[in-house]
Amino acid sequence: KAGVTQTPRYLIKTRGQQVTLSCSPISGHRSVSWYQQTPGQGLQFLFEYFSETQRNKGNFPGRFSGRQFSNSRSEMNVSTLELGDSALYLCASSPSTSGNLNEQFFGPGTRLTVL
Amino acid sequence: AQSVAQPEDQVNVAEGNPLTVKCTYSVSGNPYLFWYVQYPNRGLQFLLKYITGDNLVKGSYGFEAEFNKSQTSFHLKKPSALVSDSALYFCAVRRPMDSSYKLIFGSGTRLLVRP
Repeated sequence: KAGVTQTPRYLIKTRGQQVTLSCSPISGHRSVSWYQQTPGQGLQFLFEYFSETQRNKGNFPGRFSGRQFSNSRSEMNVSTLELGDSALYLCASSPSTSGNLNEQFFGPGTRLTVL
Repeated sequence: AQSVAQPEDQVNVAEGNPLTVKCTYSVSGNPYLFWYVQYPNRGLQFLLKYITGDNLVKGSYGFEAEFNKSQTSFHLKKPSALVSDSALYFCAVRRPMDSSYKLIFGSGTRLLVRP
């Protein structure tokens, strides 16, 4: 099975622009989560989607949004970029079984640099 | 509030020696606990998890972790370290009562295994 894929791998934007990142989960996985990783704040949960519905949301401003499509692929969007949004954005997927005891499988990440 | 603490920013060990990477958590109820490893410019790779049952959990690449409920700890261990184990290690927690796959991560511990 192919792993979680994220595109693009690297992105450079300027302040005020917006950006869209894409994530394709492992085939059959319906849960997709997004995390932001920075040296200062570490790994922080952004949001999770399950069957096209946002199931959980972290403590990020409304500039951060996401969606999930019927094929479980997910996108996250960041509007009005700020320098502090520079980070590695990680996507993770999980199989859909009862309960939430499964591990998450992570993609390689998208490295966003805001100038 | 949920939290995970990794008290050591870096752990240094000689190849062939045993290693321990510490993790403590603060979560109500009986949490699910996870360890992930991150190599440079890569996403997170799952090592092992504790859900219930035996307090000693065995995982990938010879790693194991011991769950201690009274000390709220979940330390990662390996009997004999390899240079290739050098990487960034993250402990994470999830609450079973959450209808979500959201993970709360510790700040990470950099493991350096010297030849």
